[in-house]
Amino acid sequence: DGGITQSPKYLFRKEGQNVTLSCEQNLNHDAMYWYRQDPGQGLRLIYYSQIVNDFQKGDIAEGYSVSREKKESFPLTVTSAQKNPTAFYLCASSTLGGGANEQFFGPGTRLTVL
Amino acid sequence: GDSVTQMEGPVTLSEEAFLTINCTYTATGYPSLFWYVQYPGEGLQLLLKATKADDKGSNKGFEATYRKETTSFHLEKGSVQVSDSAVYFCALLTAGGSYIPTFGRGTSLIVHP
Repeated sequence: DGGITQSPKYLFRKEGQNVTLSCEQNLNHDAMYWYRQDPGQGLRLIYYSQIVNDFQKGDIAEGYSVSREKKESFPLTVTSAQKNPTAFYLCASSTLGGGANEQFFGPGTRLTVL
Repeated sequence: GDSVTQMEGPVTLSEEAFLTINCTYTATGYPSLFWYVQYPGEGLQLLLKATKADDKGSNKGFEATYRKETTSFHLEKGSVQVSDSAVYFCALLTAGGSYIPTFGRGTSLIVHP
């Protein structure tokens, strides 16, 4: 079955630690995205990538980093510079071109800073 | 820039009631419109979409019509079920742009038995 997987589902981090959230897709999509979701809030874009070895900052990139070494993988690192990292993180992917490109989302990773 | 405005939630209904969740938008181009649904603890999934004026998207008893004259894409369902309890997001994507959709803030729906 094609889809997006995220791991782990739950992640606990001590203050001052970096953590990496995994996102893998087997849909052969060119574009991948990371969003942050806080309780009662909408989605905020952290980073996105439309081609391997290239990525762009979204609206709230500070304190986060990404890489796109393979088409199917787009890991997100939450660094110690992120002041308030406790949130629900969603990875998504889509095709490019055509104009009606829906996004496919993973199941999310809930990060809690202890 | 592009924007999407959804009605504030939560929307609380009894089972079998009629549902409307309002969504209006502003866009610099000619957008495609989407409704996504997020069940508790999960990611979003596409519920329905429409790509041009007067198109009606439908899925699982939900429908929404692309109204260019009122820049709206309201979500409706004739008879909701407890299992429809979720957060619903309206979104738009403008062709020829960055392929970054603009999402509304989401509307929580709670359906009581």
